[in-house]
Amino acid sequence: GAVVSQHPSWVICKSGTSVKIECRSLDFQATTMFWYRQFPKQSLMLMATSNEGSKATYEQGVEKDKFLINHASLTLSTLTVTSAHPEDSSFYICSTSEEGTSRTQFFGPGTRLTVL
Amino acid sequence: DAKTTQPNSMESNEEEPVHLPCNHSTISGTDYIHWYRQLPSQGPEYVIHGLTSNVNNRMASLAIAEDRKSSTLILHRATLRDAAVYYCILPGAGSYQLTFGKGTKLSVIP
Repeated sequence: GAVVSQHPSWVICKSGTSVKIECRSLDFQATTMFWYRQFPKQSLMLMATSNEGSKATYEQGVEKDKFLINHASLTLSTLTVTSAHPEDSSFYICSTSEEGTSRTQFFGPGTRLTVL
Repeated sequence: DAKTTQPNSMESNEEEPVHLPCNHSTISGTDYIHWYRQLPSQGPEYVIHGLTSNVNNRMASLAIAEDRKSSTLILHRATLRDAAVYYCILPGAGSYQLTFGKGTKLSVIP
């Protein structure tokens, strides 16, 4: 399956600053990538679908101006958390989807964001 | 996505087989059955998927009921590294999105 990396693996920032998280598909050209968020002891929640060369599609309740997604190439999607607040502290995970009918997804290792 | 039902938690002794059940009574004819697992502090990992026939790979086996309304993920010999939350997911037709439920937390006892 596809290999997906994320950088950084963890980040601590001050409230009000912006943080960029990178998601790379290392061996697969990904036209579509997904961004999830996971709070402690909860399941993954889809935030947005990132499409190469076009605007991302955000899930209901996710602020597009706060969580900026850029998918400028087939191997890189970035999520920028702008003006971060402590409630944005979470585990952010990206994934890429295999083309075809099975729709198998391959996930990155996640980025732990802590906002002080 | 079609709804799935899984037990909240299960326990297994190390080196014994584990059968993780999943009910999906509203499955449609084109829905694949996917299993992922998430180890602590890691992103989910693909385990296996199937449509109608039973499937085997190096990680696990997937047994699918004849009416497709349920399936069972089989770990043939549980190890401590298999302790994780296991998710049974049916991606909807026409969509690449996955909807994660609470899954089954598997504990492996040494």
